[in-house]
Amino acid sequence: GAVVSQHPSWVICKSGTSVKIECRSLDFQATTMFWYRQFPKQSLMLMATSNEGSKATYEQGVEKDKFLINHASLTLSTLTVTSAHPEDSSFYICSAPSASSSYNEQFFGPGTRLTVL
Amino acid sequence: SQKIEQNSEALNIQEGKTATLTCNYTNYSPAYLQWYRQDPGRGPVFLLLIRENEKEKRKERLKVTFDTTLKQSLFHITASQPADSATYLCAPSYSGAGSYQLTFGKGTKLSVIP
Repeated sequence: GAVVSQHPSWVICKSGTSVKIECRSLDFQATTMFWYRQFPKQSLMLMATSNEGSKATYEQGVEKDKFLINHASLTLSTLTVTSAHPEDSSFYICSAPSASSSYNEQFFGPGTRLTVL
Repeated sequence: SQKIEQNSEALNIQEGKTATLTCNYTNYSPAYLQWYRQDPGRGPVFLLLIRENEKEKRKERLKVTFDTTLKQSLFHITASQPADSATYLCAPSYSGAGSYQLTFGKGTKLSVIP
C-alpha cells in the first residue's frame, strides 16, 4: 500500500518558538493532503486541507496565521506551528488519498508528537 | 450539524469471540463510510470502506454492515485475537463535503483478553 511519512516523529520546544512538521507521500503523488490534530483520548480533528500549488483550506476555529501550511510539491506538505504555546501540545497527523485508489481511502502518516514547554 | 457516535469508549471481549462495534450518525446518510484502526501513538490504518448502496462488506475476519434506515454501521471482528486490541474509528464521508474529506468518530478502544 501507499506510504506516508512524517518528520519529526516527536519534538519538544520552548514556548514562543516555531516548529515545522513535514509530511511526505513516498510512493505516490498527492495533490491533496490533510492535517489532523488529536488530543489524548479524543478523535482526530481535521485542521486543514493542503492543496498543491494553492492555498490551504482551514477548518472553522483553526488560525491560519498560526498554523502555516505549504504544499510546494506533489509529495510534500509542511505544517509550521508558529509561536507555539503549551496548549498547542498535541499529536499531529497528516494523511493523503492515494490517486490510484478508487475508494478514497486515506493513508496516514505515523504522526508527530509536539510538546511545548 | 452531523454527529457521529461510536457505541462505547471501551470494549473488552474474550479471545476467540466476535467483537461488534457500532457507529451511529445523525441527519444525512454518508456517501460511504470507512473504518480505521489506530494503535497508541500511531496514525490510523485503513481497514474497510462500505458505500451507502452496499449492505455488507467482508475482508478476512472483518465484516462491516451499513443500515441507512437505522443510520448505523456495525463493524465485526470474528475469532478475535489479542493482536486485534486497538482503537477502531469510523469515518463517514459525505457528498459535497470536499473531496476525500473524512470526519472521525471518537473511536472504540477494543481489548481482547487472552
